Amino acid sequence: QVQLVQSGPEVRKPGASVKVSCKASGYTFINYPINWVRQAPGQGLEWMGWISLYNDNIHYAQKLQGRLTMTTDTSTNTVYMELRSLRSDDTAVYYCARDPSMVKGIITTFGYGLDVWGQGTTVTVSS
Amino acid sequence: EIVLTQSPATLSLSPGERATLSCRASQSVGTYLAWYQHKLGQAPRLLIYDASNRATGIPARFSGSGSGTGFTLTISSLEPEDFAVYYCQQRSNWPSLAFGGGTKVEIK
Repeated sequence: QVQLVQSGPEVRKPGASVKVSCKASGYTFINYPINWVRQAPGQGLEWMGWISLYNDNIHYAQKLQGRLTMTTDTSTNTVYMELRSLRSDDTAVYYCARDPSMVKGIITTFGYGLDVWGQGTTVTVSS
Repeated sequence: EIVLTQSPATLSLSPGERATLSCRASQSVGTYLAWYQHKLGQAPRLLIYDASNRATGIPARFSGSGSGTGFTLTISSLEPEDFAVYYCQQRSNWPSLAFGGGTKVEIK
């Protein structure tokens, strides 16, 4: 079945970096972009960025520009999210999610949501 | 930047009752709006896309309506598994997207 499986929980000190993986299975990996979304404790959902696996286009949320990098490894159907210079307010559950708004590089509809989500990865930033 | 405001913040209802959740956009987003259900410890689940289309496998008791700046998610008769937090999401500046603050549907 279609699924995204993320790497396990991480604990980091302020100023460090973290890299979270998201492995896709059950569908043609490069056909759909992947988004990253996070949820801090007691807060709502926050969009972090988007990566097209078909044409390597990447968009980051403005507030995370300069600290966030998204990469892919098509040989293993895996997307990576690296966040640097971690702060305590980066403590959150991080999710990857498939994006059917674009398929094989062609936009389907802007109104499509994120249809398949990873299970989430808890990142704790604490001294 | 278009801001989504969800109301109410909390909705206290009993199983079998009708739930009506509101999402208002600061500017028109057309029908580029989706709804999600989010339970503690689980990943969000896509319910509605393009304002009124149910996602695959979503029960018919969930329905979405609206366009422009005003949107509604209706759960016609609450089941025990429907108590959760619900988020709306807009995508007027594709591929960026933004979520509303959420509405918690709790058992009365």
